[in-house]
Amino acid sequence: GQQLNQSPQSMFIQEGEDVSMNCTSSSIFNTWLWYKQEPGEGPVLLIALYKAGELTSNGRLTAQFGITRKDSFLNISASIPSDVGIYFCAGQGSNYQLIWGAGTKLIIKP
Amino acid sequence: NAGVTQTPKFRVLKTGQSMTLLCAQDMNHEYMYWYRQDPGMGLRLIHYSVGEGTTAKGEVPDGYNVSRLKKQNFLLGLESAAPSQTSVYFCASSPYRGPFSGANVLTFGAGSRLTVL
Repeated sequence: GQQLNQSPQSMFIQEGEDVSMNCTSSSIFNTWLWYKQEPGEGPVLLIALYKAGELTSNGRLTAQFGITRKDSFLNISASIPSDVGIYFCAGQGSNYQLIWGAGTKLIIKP
Repeated sequence: NAGVTQTPKFRVLKTGQSMTLLCAQDMNHEYMYWYRQDPGMGLRLIHYSVGEGTTAKGEVPDGYNVSRLKKQNFLLGLESAAPSQTSVYFCASSPYRGPFSGANVLTFGAGSRLTVL
C-alpha cells in the first residue's frame, strides 16, 4: 500500500529560527495537505496544494508540492512560541483516500 | 457555526462493554470520516461515508461499526471494547473530493479520548 514518510519526527528550535519539514511518498499524489494539531484539539488545515510545483504561503508558512508529485515540504519562518504543536502532512492519490504522515512535533527551546 | 462536534470527549470502558461515539457536522458536507490517533502513528482511517445511508471500511475497521442515517451525523460503535481500542478518536468531514482546488479538505472535531481497561 501507499506509504508516506514524514521527517523529522521532532524538532527543538529557538524562537526566531526557521523550520523545515518534509514528506515523501512511495507513489504519486494529486493533493498534498498540511495540518497542525495542538494539544487536546483536532488537526487544523494550514495549506492545501493541488498542482506539481505549486508553492503556497499562509503568513509565515510556505509549502510546496514537489515536481515529482512524491514529496512536499513545509517551511515556517521566524518561529514563535505559538508555533508549537504537531504538524501533519497528508497526501491523496487516485483513489481519493488520504494517507497521513506520522507527524513532526515542534518544540520551542526555553 | 459549530463545525464538527464530537460527543463524548472522554470515556472509560471496561473490556467487553459497548459504546457509541457521536459526530455531528453543520456544514452540509457529503463526506464523513472516523479516524483513530495513537502515539507516533499519525491518523488511521477506521470507516468513512460518502453520503447519507452509505458507509465503507477504511484502513483499520475491525472491531468497529458505523452508521450514517442522517447526512449530518456519523456514529462510531464499539460492540465489545478491547484494550487495543484505547485511543483518541477523531471525526472529520469534507464537502467533496477530487483533484481540484478546495477538494479533499477535512474539517476535524476536537476528538474523543477512549480508555478501555
